[in-house]
Amino acid sequence: QQQVKQSPQSLIVQKGGISIINCAYENTAFDYFPWYQQFPGKGPALLIAIRPDVSEKKEGRFTISFNKSAKQFSLHIMDSQPGDSATYFCAASSLANSGGSNYKLTFGKGTLLTVNP
Amino acid sequence: KAGVTQTPRYLIKTRGQQVTLSCSPISGHRSVSWYQQTPGQGLQFLFEYFSETQRNKGNFPGRFSGRQFSNSRSEMNVSTLELGDSALYLCASSLVGGLQLNYGYTFGSGTRLTVV
Repeated sequence: QQQVKQSPQSLIVQKGGISIINCAYENTAFDYFPWYQQFPGKGPALLIAIRPDVSEKKEGRFTISFNKSAKQFSLHIMDSQPGDSATYFCAASSLANSGGSNYKLTFGKGTLLTVNP
Repeated sequence: KAGVTQTPRYLIKTRGQQVTLSCSPISGHRSVSWYQQTPGQGLQFLFEYFSETQRNKGNFPGRFSGRQFSNSRSEMNVSTLELGDSALYLCASSLVGGLQLNYGYTFGSGTRLTVV
């Protein structure tokens, strides 16, 4: 059972454009939604994260939009740059209902972003 | 500040053999998690250790095991290797033993295991 569905699998954007990656989740107990960026040969690195008590969070060119009723969240990369070319993973976890004992991240399958110069 | 160090970076093993992977977390981090990354299944949680105790385990067969030492370093062992175990194995560490907004895990660069 895939609990976090991510789309698209791959995305090509021109420099300066907006990259949008979408994720949908099934488990209503999820209450922590991070996005990770992974470059070839490296491990994933935390980009930005959100809790469901806010609908949007922005950090520089990266914005997470969160729709709790639809169980969807998305990553927007404004003014996309060639250096943003990487694989992006959304993820989810349940913290509040875990009694402090659940630290498992459930990941989406990833989106390969290519930003053309 | 050194990051999460995984050794070795690359490993080639034969079916039926066993393998041990090592992870040194960031200094002061007490939680270590392991993930398997494959093109087909993506990133899948293996297990998580905190203060030498396994607190969470993913849906992997018993051939996958791990442990954590008193200095927080962790090892992962896979016995009776199968071709399908070929993957990038990632270790992640956390300061306070969990996920926090704007912090999360710090991943290492992984060990690329190839089973032939």
